[in-house]
Amino acid sequence: AQSVTQPDIHITVSEGASLELRCNYSYGATPYLFWYVQSPGQGLQLLLKYFSGDTLVQGIKGFEAEFKRSQSSFNLRKPSVHWSDAAEYFCAVSPGGGKLIFGQGTELSVKP
Amino acid sequence: SAVISQKPSRDICQRGTSLTIQCQVDSQVTMMFWYRQQPGQSLTLIATANQGSEATYESGFVIDKFPISRPNLTFSTLTVSNMSPEDSSIYLCSVMTTDQETQYFGPGTRLLVL
Repeated sequence: AQSVTQPDIHITVSEGASLELRCNYSYGATPYLFWYVQSPGQGLQLLLKYFSGDTLVQGIKGFEAEFKRSQSSFNLRKPSVHWSDAAEYFCAVSPGGGKLIFGQGTELSVKP
Repeated sequence: SAVISQKPSRDICQRGTSLTIQCQVDSQVTMMFWYRQQPGQSLTLIATANQGSEATYESGFVIDKFPISRPNLTFSTLTVSNMSPEDSSIYLCSVMTTDQETQYFGPGTRLLVL
């Protein structure tokens, strides 16, 4: 069965520091890969997605993610974190057909 | 991407009652989905709302508890029936547009059952 693992439940970084959120998936083929962000009291906003092609994808708000097939990973990165980036981040995979499987989420706190 | 609205945005309900949540999209979409996010948890797909036919439910979710309608390409409802405190969650609808395989989410409905 397909699954998504986000190993870090909670991460705290200082404002201006770099960020990397980990995501590993289990699936027989290359799935469609997504990162969403959920700010407190809000719905989910799509940050970026990977379907095929260039394994480094750029998203909104200065985020990027790199697909590594050999590691079954799709880690999210940002070179310099802003206080407004504090939120819950969800990695998700889709084998196609509309089914979306989410990881448990990583809560990001930003220290001033 | 589509603009998605949900009503109500939040509600407090008594156990044993039912609540219907509406999801409206500003353009025609190919697929609509309903998710549940229990407190402190990730999102779990409840069902796919099919236009003009019965919804397709995921394992663990049944039509009697979560009846879903989708009368047209821009609107769907989810009813949470005979509620108990365990139904306290955020319920989100999502849509898939012509940008296939990409889902966009509504703002969610925050439900508290007492």
